[in-house]
Amino acid sequence: KNEVEQSPQNLTAQEGEFITINCSYSVGISALHWLQQHPGGGIVSLFMLSSGKKKHGRLIATINIQEKHSSLHITASHPRDSAVYICAVPNSGGSNYKLTFGKGTLLTVNP
Amino acid sequence: EADIYQTPRYLVIGTGKKITLECSQTMGHDKMYWYQQDPGMELHLIHYSYGVNSTEKGDLSSESTVSRIRTEHFPLTLESARPSHTSQYLCASSRGTATDTQYFGPGTRLTVL
Repeated sequence: KNEVEQSPQNLTAQEGEFITINCSYSVGISALHWLQQHPGGGIVSLFMLSSGKKKHGRLIATINIQEKHSSLHITASHPRDSAVYICAVPNSGGSNYKLTFGKGTLLTVNP
Repeated sequence: EADIYQTPRYLVIGTGKKITLECSQTMGHDKMYWYQQDPGMELHLIHYSYGVNSTEKGDLSSESTVSRIRTEHFPLTLESARPSHTSQYLCASSRGTATDTQYFGPGTRLTVL
């Protein structure tokens, strides 16, 4: 089974700061997901990437397949970015539908 | 905006009751999932369906059961609720496999007294 580690577990920032959240995994993958979970539980898919970099608004996701590492960056952070950010990768072992999820990074952006 | 719905959003119920958590999606996705998430913890897959009349258990053992009689509907049932079933249950769907985007419902927060 693929092991997923996220860091930091908790992150507090001031509005406007540049944020970086990291994700490492143990087994080579074909794609990695970044998800956002707001208080109340709803989860939104932010990115699915298999190489390089993707950008959506103030969010940027990068992945280094060789190093088994991905980062999620938030530029000019805002209090509405406060949420749990979750990294997920396909499970290893032949399954083509299961994801292994990290424990998440709780981001709090203060005004 | 994802077209996937869960009801109820919150449920407080006594031990021994039978409950059904509803999940519906209007995207025509073949793949549907039920996840369980305890506070501060990661999501764990408890059930998976890859089409009508096809379901499998996930990684986390669960006393719940599921059915998939229609593409759009994937209900989860607990025959006899216990306090250990207290958790958040999230339903999701996707077009394809683990490399496709999964769309999540708002979740059902279940409390068993």
